[in-house]
Amino acid sequence: EDQVTQSPEALRLQEGESSSLNCSYTVSGLRGLFWYRQDPGKGPEFLFTLYSAGEEKEKERLKATLTKKESFLHITAPKPEDSATYLCAVLGGAQKLVFGQGTRLTINP
Amino acid sequence: EAGVTQFPSHSVIEKGQTVTLRCDPISGHDNLYWYRRVMGKEIKFLLHFVKESKQDESGMPNNRFLAERTGGTYSTLKVQPAELEDSGVYFCASSPRELLNTGELFFGEGSRLTVL
Repeated sequence: EDQVTQSPEALRLQEGESSSLNCSYTVSGLRGLFWYRQDPGKGPEFLFTLYSAGEEKEKERLKATLTKKESFLHITAPKPEDSATYLCAVLGGAQKLVFGQGTRLTINP
Repeated sequence: EAGVTQFPSHSVIEKGQTVTLRCDPISGHDNLYWYRRVMGKEIKFLLHFVKESKQDESGMPNNRFLAERTGGTYSTLKVQPAELEDSGVYFCASSPRELLNTGELFFGEGSRLTVL
């Protein structure tokens, strides 16, 4: 069974303090790994798709990387508006995403 | 362009009652998905429509849940009779092509269901 584990569950940073979120996965035939951002009371919002080990994607202060066992979401010099829950999900053989529980990120000004 | 809209945003019902959740996908999106997040757990897949056909309903918890997508447009998810463990946030998402091609789902804001 496909499985996704995210760590840490929650992370507090000061504005400008860079860090990384981890997503470990086990899947039969990875077809894609996705990062979403979710704000309170909202639905998940798509950030990145990574398809193969070694691939990297960037968007503003965020960079996602992928290995054969895990993905990292690096956040560089974060701002308070980057506070959100970040979700990782994998796509295996079926047309359905398997999500992790998410990392709740808080950036203090 | 309007996003995925869901109604109601919050529903509070008693155990044994019936609730119907509605989802309007982005116009032109053939693929429609239902997901659910139970408190303290991860978001989990319920089912997938391609137009009006159920492509995959392997995530539906039991036969108290019935999903329809009449005419390939909006979708409804009915829970009858509701149980306490059905409480959670039900998300609808749509995409213009299969996930393999686009990698992106557009989610609605969710319908929060509370069963007392």
